[in-house]
Amino acid sequence: DAMVIQNPRYQVTQFGKPVTLSCSQTLNHNVMYWYQQKSSQAPKLLFHYYDKDFNNEADTPDNFQSRRPNTSFCFLDIRSPGLGDAAMYLCATSRATGMNTEAFFGQGTRLTVV
Amino acid sequence: AQRVTQPEKLLSVFKGAPVELKCNYSYSGSPELFWYVQYSRQRLQLLLRHISRESIKGFTADLNKGETSFHLKKPFAQEEDSAMYYCALTPRGGSNYKLTFGKGTLLTVNP
Repeated sequence: DAMVIQNPRYQVTQFGKPVTLSCSQTLNHNVMYWYQQKSSQAPKLLFHYYDKDFNNEADTPDNFQSRRPNTSFCFLDIRSPGLGDAAMYLCATSRATGMNTEAFFGQGTRLTVV
Repeated sequence: AQRVTQPEKLLSVFKGAPVELKCNYSYSGSPELFWYVQYSRQRLQLLLRHISRESIKGFTADLNKGETSFHLKKPFAQEEDSAMYYCALTPRGGSNYKLTFGKGTLLTVNP
């Protein structure tokens, strides 16, 4: 009964080869987040959506792009992965209003760049 | 700008001892504060939120607006509490839904 699903769990890509990570949710939440988490570090926000409104963090490299075609799905595109992009990528969703604004996280996609 | 500070990267206590994980925040508006926990090989999940004023797994946290703190406390730590704990902040109201995490505190409860 997973509510935020990330695919794949593990992704290996070649240096410079575009890669797409996907996230889907069954919660009908209007906010979706993408975080990068490197070993023993806190999740770092890359960008988030409120419905279709996209909010990019100032320090997110241009190499990272995102698409949200509908409420349920969100994609993270890495145009030219470098070795430094190897990390766990976390997708999360939340409801924007009301009392229950907690974020629900997926299991993450561990990206390896070779 | 919103910021969350967790001054302790590591915290080690013995079973049955009290534990306090510190969290301070910076935000000019009205924040909503959370504690998230990540057990080994599990997804990040909510432990508690300040709005609920509830106790989860024996943990409590009180929002102190004067000190801009949201410390997590438990009177008697258990081995199963060993995990990574993150304090997080999101603005309340308005159109900013950014969820910002502190750097986290790794809690180890020794037998």
